[in-house]
Amino acid sequence: EAGVAQSPRYKIIEKRQSVAFWCNPISGHATLYWYQQILGQGPKLLIQFQNNGVVDDSQLPKDRFSAERLKGVDSTLKIQPAKLEDSAVYLCASSLDSYPETYEQYFGPGTRLTVT
Amino acid sequence: SQKIEQNSEALNIQEGKTATLTCNYTNYSPAYLQWYRQDPGRGPVFLLLIRENEKEKRKERLKVTFDTTLKQSLFHITASQPADSATYLCALDNNQGGKLIFGQGTELSVKP
Repeated sequence: EAGVAQSPRYKIIEKRQSVAFWCNPISGHATLYWYQQILGQGPKLLIQFQNNGVVDDSQLPKDRFSAERLKGVDSTLKIQPAKLEDSAVYLCASSLDSYPETYEQYFGPGTRLTVT
Repeated sequence: SQKIEQNSEALNIQEGKTATLTCNYTNYSPAYLQWYRQDPGRGPVFLLLIRENEKEKRKERLKVTFDTTLKQSLFHITASQPADSATYLCALDNNQGGKLIFGQGTELSVKP
């Protein structure tokens, strides 16, 4: 089966510019996650969708980050305006389902964002 | 405060030996704990999941233990190979509907 697809793979922008990332999860996976991974750290959950509803966005900086999942399939994550500290790898993951069970998550290759 | 801590130092071992990685947590009550492998420039790859009522789980050369009293999980790779060199991440589910909280990872290097 095809894995989680993400694009672009790399992006360099200046601070205060905007950027968008796209994710296509594994077909049939109800739950989609966006993580931020700063160099040397583990992934940090930004937002979790179940189908097209938000389950958890408690760690999403909502003043500058937004995300949507259209029709419960593809998802986009946007940053506007970007700050230097947003430089990180943005990972998308999907799983068959979530609550109340926990399932293994399948990750995409990530988008490496550099803000200058 | 809540913390997940993995071996902070990189682990260097000789091929054929057993690698043991540690994941300790504080102020969490996880129902599940997962281990992932991450290679440079790639997303994490799922390895094993263990539930709070399971003491041990095995898969080929991998073994995970979960001690809820000690608040610790140990991850073992037996007969290690250079191809096992990667960063290994533990992640726990704090009974919050599938939300995973990741440790910072331990870098493992297996020398031939």
